[in-house]
Amino acid sequence: DAKTTQPPSMDCAEGRAANLPCNHSTISGNEYVYWYRQIHSQGPQYIIHGLKNNETNEMASLIITEDRKSSTLILPHATLRDTAVYYCIVGNAGGTSYGKLTFGQGTILTVHP
Amino acid sequence: DVKVTQSSRYLVKRTGEKVFLECVQDMDHENMFWYRQDPGLGLRLIYFSYDVKMKEKGDIPEGYSVSREKKERFSLILESASTNQTSMYLCATQWGGRANTEAFFGQGTRLTVV
Repeated sequence: DAKTTQPPSMDCAEGRAANLPCNHSTISGNEYVYWYRQIHSQGPQYIIHGLKNNETNEMASLIITEDRKSSTLILPHATLRDTAVYYCIVGNAGGTSYGKLTFGQGTILTVHP
Repeated sequence: DVKVTQSSRYLVKRTGEKVFLECVQDMDHENMFWYRQDPGLGLRLIYFSYDVKMKEKGDIPEGYSVSREKKERFSLILESASTNQTSMYLCATQWGGRANTEAFFGQGTRLTVV
């Protein structure tokens, strides 16, 4: 599985958009980009995933560059409850029926008032 | 909503004890995983299972075994607990019917081995 690089920490003001970058320059053609987050003392929570196209759901948007070597998770209006560790994961669940996730160190996002 | 329940939130065991960590899911998911999480090391996969009685080693299986006798239950077993197994243990499930589906995690069990 391709490895990812994320900044160790980021700050964001409440109500503003939080843009979390992720580099995955060695991603292969059948690998997806997944984002999870982990709020303190809880298990990780799925946010969004995508292959090539940009994706949006009720939690966030995922922007994947055309060459697929990087992506950005966007939380459009960050709240204090979005303070968490955000993990960008590249994995291949295609071709098998199970997806093993390899978590890196993630980005600690702190949303402040 | 998917519910993934881990039997204990906090657990304290003695060195050498046999420890069972239980995980139960209510969504009929085929795939189940056990991770441990340690400061500075992130989440590391111990074992996973994609069907009843099936298991595969993850990245750090040493000192652990697993059991999946029923689809909804995946147990992690520490045959002889050691202090270096003090950690947060996380169970996850995933539907196996289609690739690229999200994983759902339990709340975690914080195990302390003394």
